[in-house]
Amino acid sequence: NAGVTQTPKFQVLKTGQSMTLQCAQDMNHEYMSWYRQDPGMGLRLIHYSVGAGITDQGEVPNGYNVSRSTTEDFPLRLLSAAPSQTSVYFCASSYSTGTHEQYFGPGTRLTVT
Amino acid sequence: AQSVTQPDIHITVSEGASLELRCNYSYGATPYLFWYVQSPGQGLQLLLKYFSGDTLVQGIKGFEAEFKRSQSSFNLRKPSVHWSDAAEYFCAVGGLEGNKLVFGAGTILRVKS
Repeated sequence: NAGVTQTPKFQVLKTGQSMTLQCAQDMNHEYMSWYRQDPGMGLRLIHYSVGAGITDQGEVPNGYNVSRSTTEDFPLRLLSAAPSQTSVYFCASSYSTGTHEQYFGPGTRLTVT
Repeated sequence: AQSVTQPDIHITVSEGASLELRCNYSYGATPYLFWYVQSPGQGLQLLLKYFSGDTLVQGIKGFEAEFKRSQSSFNLRKPSVHWSDAAEYFCAVGGLEGNKLVFGAGTILRVKS
């Protein structure tokens, strides 16, 4: 199993550009989520999904969209990038909403200039 | 609202010395508690978790943590630190709606030889 994979590893955007961060898992996990990590703030939840076709907002959803058309994939879209979205983004998954233990991808480091 | 506090932003210990990283949480029900470790440029790896039962839990890499309900704490310990333990450590609380995790701000561990 590859586990949770994320692409790209690094990305530089200009303000106003849009892009999609990819996340995939091959563990047949129902639950997937996106976090952003900023210095001194830990990880904050952006969006999450409890299964295909179901998504919900986390703590810091503004400026981001998600969709979950398959169990495996959970892309994160930045609609119009802003410097405040410069961060490291982590995707995570877990087997079900009952287990709570989450497996994290390697992260995407995004810089918005 | 649920929250996690890690009072120490940085900790420096000598190699071979003991380690304790503090974590306090605020959560109304019985929490699911986690410690994750993040090496520089890497994703998060689960060290250990507490769901129920024995309040002293053992994890990987020689780490352990003790759940103390009366103090709302879940401190991480290791009897003898190795240079490879230098990393950032995150405490997290789960058991929330939608399988969400709430993270502390993290503690950066430096190991001096």
